[in-house]
Amino acid sequence: DIQLTQSPSFLSASVGDRVTITCRASQGISSYLAWYQQKPGKAPKLLIYAASTLQSGVPSRFSGSGSGTEFTLTISSLQPEDFATYYCQQLNNYLRTFGQGTKVEIK
Amino acid sequence: EVQLVESGGGLVQPGRSLRLSCGASGFIFDDYAMHWVRQAPGKGLEWVSGISWNGNMKGYADSVKGRFTISRDNAKNSLYLQMNSLRAEDMALYYCAKASGGDIVALGVPFDSWGQGTLVTVSS
Repeated sequence: DIQLTQSPSFLSASVGDRVTITCRASQGISSYLAWYQQKPGKAPKLLIYAASTLQSGVPSRFSGSGSGTEFTLTISSLQPEDFATYYCQQLNNYLRTFGQGTKVEIK
Repeated sequence: EVQLVESGGGLVQPGRSLRLSCGASGFIFDDYAMHWVRQAPGKGLEWVSGISWNGNMKGYADSVKGRFTISRDNAKNSLYLQMNSLRAEDMALYYCAKASGGDIVALGVPFDSWGQGTLVTVSS
């Protein structure tokens, strides 16, 4: 099974900061990776797929990069509504596993 | 607008069964694969099961294989999860999610819409 490890697990940042979250896969998954945002009490929301393609309606301050085993999600200028937990998900096989999540909190 | 509404959750004793349902609207249901994802209290997301657009292909996480069965009724725009032999570790909020394609083994197909979840509590 493909394991995904996110780092950091917890991140404290201020409005306006540039934030980067890393997701590492236990084996190569090409660009078959998605990122989701989940706010407390809400369902996850798709942000990025194919490692770097922005889902329709998602602000351009979100971006994704990477391929193979290492991927990043970057928020160029953190906004108050971006404080949430972020998950990566591998889409390389039918076992659509998720990373353990990265919680972004207000400093 | 895509809508996914889960139902069927509740309190169940260990070893018993429960059937979850997900009603879909706002899209052509039988064009898309569907999945179940769960989230234990205070924990992360765990993919549980997926089913292709026509129901011919199904996949399960190792943690539920042999106990859970996914199915769909395209005539009723509905997705189901039959959960047998429930354990304490199955306690979670169960989300229904729509894939952006029809095949569960297709590479790179994310989950582009989610329901609000139905809570399953397993306790004696």
